[in-house]
Amino acid sequence: SYVLTQPPSMSVAPGQTARITCGGDYIEYKRVHWYQQRPGQAPVLVVCDYGDRPSGISERFSGSKSGNMATLTITRAEAGDEADYYCQVWDSGSNHVVFGGGTTLTVL
Amino acid sequence: QVQLVQSGAEVKKPGASVKVACKASGYTLTNYPMHWVRQAPGQSLEWVGWINAGNDDTKYSQKFQGRVTITRDRSANTAYMELSSLRSEDTAVYYCAKDNKIQAAVDYWGQGTLVTVSS
Repeated sequence: SYVLTQPPSMSVAPGQTARITCGGDYIEYKRVHWYQQRPGQAPVLVVCDYGDRPSGISERFSGSKSGNMATLTITRAEAGDEADYYCQVWDSGSNHVVFGGGTTLTVL
Repeated sequence: QVQLVQSGAEVKKPGASVKVACKASGYTLTNYPMHWVRQAPGQSLEWVGWINAGNDDTKYSQKFQGRVTITRDRSANTAYMELSSLRSEDTAVYYCAKDNKIQAAVDYWGQGTLVTVSS
């Protein structure tokens, strides 16, 4: 089955740029979506591959892919960006949705 | 506006079954696929399965194959996820999640239903 690998945690200083990675075989050929989840809340779609930015999501959030790595970039990090972030793909081989293990972002 | 409202928390004994409801408003349920995703305490998101738009085709994670059934009631605009033979490891928050038809991106989530399995 398809596997997505994320670093468990990372930190960024306020105002700096955070880059959260998501590794998977040939991921550049897949649509990669990113979700933000704050404690006790449902996830929120922040980056949708192949589509407009979801309504209400800051332009500070963007996604990119190259080779076997996808990256969520958060520019001008704010305290409110502290959350867990998950990457997700659709695995056409199995017709399954696959989530990465999640990355906890700390802004300090 | 689109809303997904799930049924309330459940406490079940090992071996029992649970059925979680997800009532959709603001759109027609059958026009978009619906996923079910769970999250055990302190753990990451885990895909359970989905029901396709239009027809009632379903696909389940191999991990839950044989124990999970996803259905929907068109007249009630409500989706359901039933999980049987519950064990303590099934204790989790279960989310319904609307697919936006872009390679399984989820644009709306229910509030989550906590299912606790305990003897």
